[in-house]
Amino acid sequence: ETGVTQTPRHLVMGMTNKKSLKCEQHLGHNAMYWYKQSAKKPLELMFVYNFKEQTENNSVPSRFSPECPNSSHLFLHLHTLQPEDSALYLCASSQEPGAGNTEAFFGQGTRLTVV
Amino acid sequence: TQLLEQSPQFLSIQEGENLTVYCNSSSVFSSLQWYRQEPGEGPVLLVTVVTGGEVKKLKRLTFQFGDARKDSSLHITAAQPGDTGLYLCAGEEKERNLIFGKGTKLSVKP
Repeated sequence: ETGVTQTPRHLVMGMTNKKSLKCEQHLGHNAMYWYKQSAKKPLELMFVYNFKEQTENNSVPSRFSPECPNSSHLFLHLHTLQPEDSALYLCASSQEPGAGNTEAFFGQGTRLTVV
Repeated sequence: TQLLEQSPQFLSIQEGENLTVYCNSSSVFSSLQWYRQEPGEGPVLLVTVVTGGEVKKLKRLTFQFGDARKDSSLHITAAQPGDTGLYLCAGEEKERNLIFGKGTKLSVKP
């Protein structure tokens, strides 16, 4: 298996549930990202991990908690979400960000619905 | 705040027509990328342009990077229904993360 794989593809959860999104990359990249894509908004960068260290947190609410145990795996732990958090959550990987000619490879996304 | 503006936001055309999509910013980018995203899927990288004035071709798609490296265009010749999707541009500033535009939603009708 190659590329960036996200699971699950679809998730429906209640506001009191706890769930986790998983991302795995087999491209040998050093950086991994979580993006949120909502209707009528540009892709919103949530978190960046570079060599397993979190380098960016774009003012994301604490009900979203990322985890990066190694350069190949990235998780997004979800807790007490709101209906407005319903969106497509995309994981991506790349070589070191900002180093020039950084190309992002995306997973297929997890379509999250909060009820 | 960095901003990448794409136009038009929506485009609906007939098969065989030509079209151009634009991506503009006040920022200078070290590279600019174009992605296509189909419904329910993640964006897929189409091309990266790096040099001001650079032109790259991918079959019926022609990508151009502005001389000042602040803007880019994507031209599709003889569009086909398979070209339908959301086209996203993304700019990379030195030592910073990619920023994405809102995208152009293209629909090509048979």
